[in-house]
Amino acid sequence: GAVVSQHPSWVICKSGTSVKIECRSLDFQATTMFWYRQFPKQSLMLMATSNEGSKATYEQGVEKDKFLINHASLTLSTLTVTSAHPEDSSFYICSASPEPNWSSGNTIYFGEGSWLTVV
Amino acid sequence: GESVGLHLPTLSVQEGDNSIINCAYSNSASDYFIWYKQESGKGPQFIIDIRSNMDKRQGQRVTVLLNKTVKHLSLQIAATQPGDSAVYFCAEENPGSQGNLIFGKGTKLSVKP
Repeated sequence: GAVVSQHPSWVICKSGTSVKIECRSLDFQATTMFWYRQFPKQSLMLMATSNEGSKATYEQGVEKDKFLINHASLTLSTLTVTSAHPEDSSFYICSASPEPNWSSGNTIYFGEGSWLTVV
Repeated sequence: GESVGLHLPTLSVQEGDNSIINCAYSNSASDYFIWYKQESGKGPQFIIDIRSNMDKRQGQRVTVLLNKTVKHLSLQIAATQPGDSAVYFCAEENPGSQGNLIFGKGTKLSVKP
């Protein structure tokens, strides 16, 4: 079945540094990918929509200069947390879909998530 | 269930019993809904979905019910097993934005052996 892979699964970085998280669709192409953030014991919150070949669309309250998104190819989107602070520590999850038009069925695939801890 | 502060509502059931997890969604224009299971430290795992032109859909051991009148979604798990223990989220697709999901608050299911 379709697989979305995230890397790294776990990362610890120092406050003030930047960290990049990759989201890859392994066996399909995705013009759109989505980035979510999840704090402990909370739900997933959409951060931004990553669009291949164009700028990402950010949700209200998400700083685009802090969370840089690059969707350079149809199989890869990256999220870079710049000048990370401890409050950025969270679980970051991406999703992607191989189909431009929806039909009933499992067409949205999630990555396994990336744990970021900023110390 | 309703979430209070940062605490997920919890449903505790005995192994072999049926489980019912409820969810309220926000947008009456939403027409695609999905239930996900999330185990600790992992990404969401698809369970079952339903479109707004249906009010019930069955899968293997799971059934999703949709009540559009009151904007309510439920997930029924038959013969609940210890492996079903996880957090369950409902999600509605943001109308007009394919793939853009709005997640509910989540319910933690604990299955007692």
